[in-house]
Amino acid sequence: DIQMTQSPSSVSASVGDRVTITCRASQAIINNWVAWYQQNPGKAPKLLISITSNLQSGVPSRFSGSGSGTDFTLTISSLQPEDFATYYCVQANSFPITFGQGTRLEIK
Amino acid sequence: EVQLVESGGGLVQPGGSLRLSCTGSGFTLSDHYIDWVRQAPGKGLEWVARIRDKTNGYTTEYAASVKGRFAISRDDSKNSLYLQMNSLKTEDAAVYYCTRNLYRPGDYWGQGVLVTVSS
Repeated sequence: DIQMTQSPSSVSASVGDRVTITCRASQAIINNWVAWYQQNPGKAPKLLISITSNLQSGVPSRFSGSGSGTDFTLTISSLQPEDFATYYCVQANSFPITFGQGTRLEIK
Repeated sequence: EVQLVESGGGLVQPGGSLRLSCTGSGFTLSDHYIDWVRQAPGKGLEWVARIRDKTNGYTTEYAASVKGRFAISRDDSKNSLYLQMNSLKTEDAAVYYCTRNLYRPGDYWGQGVLVTVSS
């Protein structure tokens, strides 16, 4: 199984800050099938980025994804109040599909 | 409008069974891969199972933690699919989501259904 190790597990930041969340895979993701989700409490996750770097329709351009091989990142260029949530990476290179453990983004 | 609605959750004793339903509207369920993803209270997301679309023969995949105990089936006449959960364990307690196009464009999730496993 491919383990997705997400870091940090939590981060405190301020509105306007730039934040980067990293996922490291236990083996290479050869097809770039890494996606990023945002989840607010009590809600279903929302897809932000698919296939490493494809921004989903309606998602603000301050969100971006990059990476290859085993290292993938989600960057939020200038935090807005609505961005404080929990973020998950997920790999779909091979079964079982596996999620990172999540990063809780909190207001400083 | 695309919607997925889960139902069938509730309280069950360890060792018991429960069948979750996922009903789609605004699209044809059989044209899409459908996954079940669960989230234990206060925990992260865990992929549970997949059923592929009609073109791919409705083949299935399961997480090791549920293989042999859970089974996906579908009823295309009702635009629905089901997750039969047997031999439930306390660690199966979670909110269960059905999802369309997990991690891909056109990704949709239901609102989730709570399964509680307790004596």
